[in-house]
Amino acid sequence: GENVEQHPSTLSVQEGDSAVIKCTYSDSASNYFPWYKQELGKGPQLIIDIRSNVGEKKDQRIAVTLNKTAKHFSLHITETQPEDSAVYFCAALGGLRAGGGADGLTFGKGTHLIIQP
Amino acid sequence: DAGITQSPRHKVTETGTPVTLRCHQTENHRYMYWYRQDPGHGLRLIHYSYGVKDTDKGEVSDGYSVSRSKTEDFLLTLESATSSQTSVYFCAISESIPGTDTQYFGPGTRLTVL
Repeated sequence: GENVEQHPSTLSVQEGDSAVIKCTYSDSASNYFPWYKQELGKGPQLIIDIRSNVGEKKDQRIAVTLNKTAKHFSLHITETQPEDSAVYFCAALGGLRAGGGADGLTFGKGTHLIIQP
Repeated sequence: DAGITQSPRHKVTETGTPVTLRCHQTENHRYMYWYRQDPGHGLRLIHYSYGVKDTDKGEVSDGYSVSRSKTEDFLLTLESATSSQTSVYFCAISESIPGTDTQYFGPGTRLTVL
């Protein structure tokens, strides 16, 4: 099955600086890579995603890049703000199963992003 | 939380007792999932459903069973709870095949097995 590694586990940056979180995946058939933000006491919420036919995607201060050859993808947050403090998870989705079902997402272990004032 | 409710939100139980967690959605989405979240492990898939009465195992299915008799409800049962099943459980839904549509997560259920 798929295996997703995420680094770093904790990242502390000054407010206004950029933050980068990196993930690698093992299954070359994986074709969908979402990023989730989880605030304390809440469920994960999708912030951006990318599919395997795209190399980069941006949404305001957030961007995701994908390198299929190297099997890694990264989350970039620019001009960080206090409300960006949270745990961020990357995930990967493999292909459909032969029986027609589909796997859920395989998640990285998370990065605790701390924005220092 | 995209029309997803989980009940109960918190539960404390004893080893060996059966426990059922409920996920209810108002979005009429076909796919539903149960994940558990543990420190150092992120979120791991327990079981998922791709339609009424259609379910399949995920990465960590041992000790868990599921049922889906209606589109809107997906139940997770621990037949005989163990301390290793102390965790936060999240339900998720998606309208179509994962990867073509977003997975939305519920607010979670914190389960403690003493």
